Amino acid sequence: GAGVSQTPSNKVTEKGKYVELRCDPISGHTALYWYRQSLGQGPEFLIYFQGTGAADDSGLPNDRFFAVRPEGSVSTLKIQRTERGDSAVYLCASSLTIAGGMDTQYFGPGTRLTVL
Amino acid sequence: SQKIEQNSEALNIQEGKTATLTCNYTNYSPAYLQWYRQDPGRGPVFLLLIRENEKEKRKERLKVTFDTTLKQSLFHITASQPADSATYLCALDEAGRRALTFGSGTRLQVQP
Repeated sequence: GAGVSQTPSNKVTEKGKYVELRCDPISGHTALYWYRQSLGQGPEFLIYFQGTGAADDSGLPNDRFFAVRPEGSVSTLKIQRTERGDSAVYLCASSLTIAGGMDTQYFGPGTRLTVL
Repeated sequence: SQKIEQNSEALNIQEGKTATLTCNYTNYSPAYLQWYRQDPGRGPVFLLLIRENEKEKRKERLKVTFDTTLKQSLFHITASQPADSATYLCALDEAGRRALTFGSGTRLQVQP
C-alpha cells in the first residue's frame, strides 16, 4: 500500500478486556513507532522497533502494554486488562533508517480505542 | 522538568496573511526539530525538519526558524489559505533517541 495502515480504525471494549491493535508500515521501512494521543494533546511515544527488535520501549506506561513485530514488518500493540485511562488514539509510524540522521516518520490514521 | 510549549489557543487569521506559530522548549538539547500538520481524525503529516546548526529552512510557503539559544522555533505560513486550517505540532528528538517528543499543537484557522 501507499501509506501506513492501521486496523481497526475504531475499537470499543470493556474495562478489563484484552485488545490488539495492528499496524502495517510502508513497505521497506525498517523502523516502526507506536504513539498514543489523547484529546487536545500531541502524540506520546510508546515504543520503537528497528527490524524485529524493540530498540526503545521506554514509553510503555506499564506491563499491561506489549508490542511485537515478529517478521520486521507488521506490528501488533497488545493491551491487557484495559482501563478507562487507556482510551486514546493509538498512532503507528514508520520510517527508513538513515544512518547519522533523523528520518521522517510517516504516520497512519490511528486506532481510536474506547474503554467503557 | 522537560517541556515543549505551543500556544494552546487557536490562531485565527485572514486568508492571505502570514501565520506564525511558536514552539518553545526547556531542558532539551535537540539535534533536530520537526513540524507536522494534523487534520481531524488523521495522523500527523511531516512538513519540515530543521537541524540544530540551521537557522532557517524554507519549503514553498512554509518557513521554519530554530534558535537554540532562545530554545524556540517559529513556523510561518505565508499567503495563508483556508486549506491551511489544521493543527500544527512541533516535535523534538532527544539525543541518541529516534523517538519524537511532541508539543500539544496549535490549531490554525484561516478565514476566507
